[in-house]
Amino acid sequence: DTAVSQTPKYLVTQMGNDKSIKCEQNLGHDTMYWYKQDSKKFLKIMFSYNNKELIINETVPNRFSPKSPDKAHLNLHINSLELGDSAVYFCASSQNGWGQSSYEQYFGPGTRLTVT
Amino acid sequence: SQELEQSPQSLIVQEGKNLTINCTSSKTLYGLYWYKQKYGEGLIFLMMLQKGGEEKSHEKITAKLDEKKQQSSLHITASQPSHAGIYLCGAAGSARQLTFGSGTQLTVLP
Repeated sequence: DTAVSQTPKYLVTQMGNDKSIKCEQNLGHDTMYWYKQDSKKFLKIMFSYNNKELIINETVPNRFSPKSPDKAHLNLHINSLELGDSAVYFCASSQNGWGQSSYEQYFGPGTRLTVT
Repeated sequence: SQELEQSPQSLIVQEGKNLTINCTSSKTLYGLYWYKQKYGEGLIFLMMLQKGGEEKSHEKITAKLDEKKQQSSLHITASQPSHAGIYLCGAAGSARQLTFGSGTQLTVLP
């Protein structure tokens, strides 16, 4: 029933490790996103994929690599984790055709990553 | 790049009181979204405004977009504890991404 799901919900790991967060949407949407919410609750776009193609790659370290095996999945792999990577990561999806003005996005529950 | 500023950053009100949250953009808004986030949960879509002067309501929440499309307000009437959370305004970008404001943390005291 869940529209946008993420796993795991919590992730605690040590500096230097490599980890992945998975996201799946069952809404049939074309576009998926990764956002990062820092400790001050500021939510910022990281990546956007449309039909498995990378559309947006904000100034994110290249230790972060998104992978979209199909339209319904967008996973986030993080190499060599650092303390500053601790945050809540949200996956989202939307259904848009180019030129439409409605960008309503559906968000997953978030993955709280803690790097120690 | 577009920047959104929200005020206040946090708000504590007594149950039953009205309140307003503001969102000001550095550029003209072509789509303004209001979301609510409860602790430990994802964002829930509230409303989307597009036209200057537009106003939408859902239950006790009303959102407006000014005529110049650079400012939006979210008004809650007769607040309840269930309204507590973080309210975020978001502006639609050309590549479909949302740029969010810094959020307003709302606490409603019973």
